[in-house]
Amino acid sequence: GENVEQHPSTLSVQEGDSAVIKCTYSDSASNYFPWYKQELGKRPQLIIDIRSNVGEKKDQRIAVTLNKTAKHFSLHITETQPEDSAVYFCAAGKTNTGNQFYFGTGTSLTVIP
Amino acid sequence: DAGVIQSPRHEVTEMGQEVTLRCKPISGHNSLFWYRQTMMRGLELLIYFNNNVPIDDSGMPEDRFSAKMPNASFSTLKIQPSEPRDSAVYFCASSLAGQGAFNEKLFFGSGTQLSVL
Repeated sequence: GENVEQHPSTLSVQEGDSAVIKCTYSDSASNYFPWYKQELGKRPQLIIDIRSNVGEKKDQRIAVTLNKTAKHFSLHITETQPEDSAVYFCAAGKTNTGNQFYFGTGTSLTVIP
Repeated sequence: DAGVIQSPRHEVTEMGQEVTLRCKPISGHNSLFWYRQTMMRGLELLIYFNNNVPIDDSGMPEDRFSAKMPNASFSTLKIQPSEPRDSAVYFCASSLAGQGAFNEKLFFGSGTQLSVL
């Protein structure tokens, strides 16, 4: 099956700086890569996703990049704000298995005011 | 819609006891997932139902765990007997997808915090 690794496990940045979280996956057939944000005590929620036919996608301060050859993808948050503090999960999946995603172990991001 | 509803929010039990977690998916969703979240292993997929039928239960840790979905609006995850290492947050999620089809967004419930003493 798919194996998703995520780094770092914890990340602290100053408000206004950028944060980068990296993930690798093992199954070359995976073609969909969502990112979920989980605030303390709350449920994970989808924040952005990317499909294998594109290399980069951006939504305001958040961007994701995908390198299919190297089997890694990254989440970039620019101009970080305290409300970005949360646990971020990457996931990888194949479209023919519905939403059977394999998640990374999560990155706890702290934005220091 | 109230979203995915899980109960109870918190469960404290003693080792050896039976634990039942409950989930009501979003109305109209045809896929339901049970995840377990721990610090060490993150979000682990335990089992996945499509149209009330279990499709993949390869993530269920052992025979002590069982899950059912008797109808489109209700699912249970049962642990019998429970052990301290089962302590975790258990999430239920639903989506509008089907085997061979794809809809990317998973909607998670609020989770059940399980503590087995």
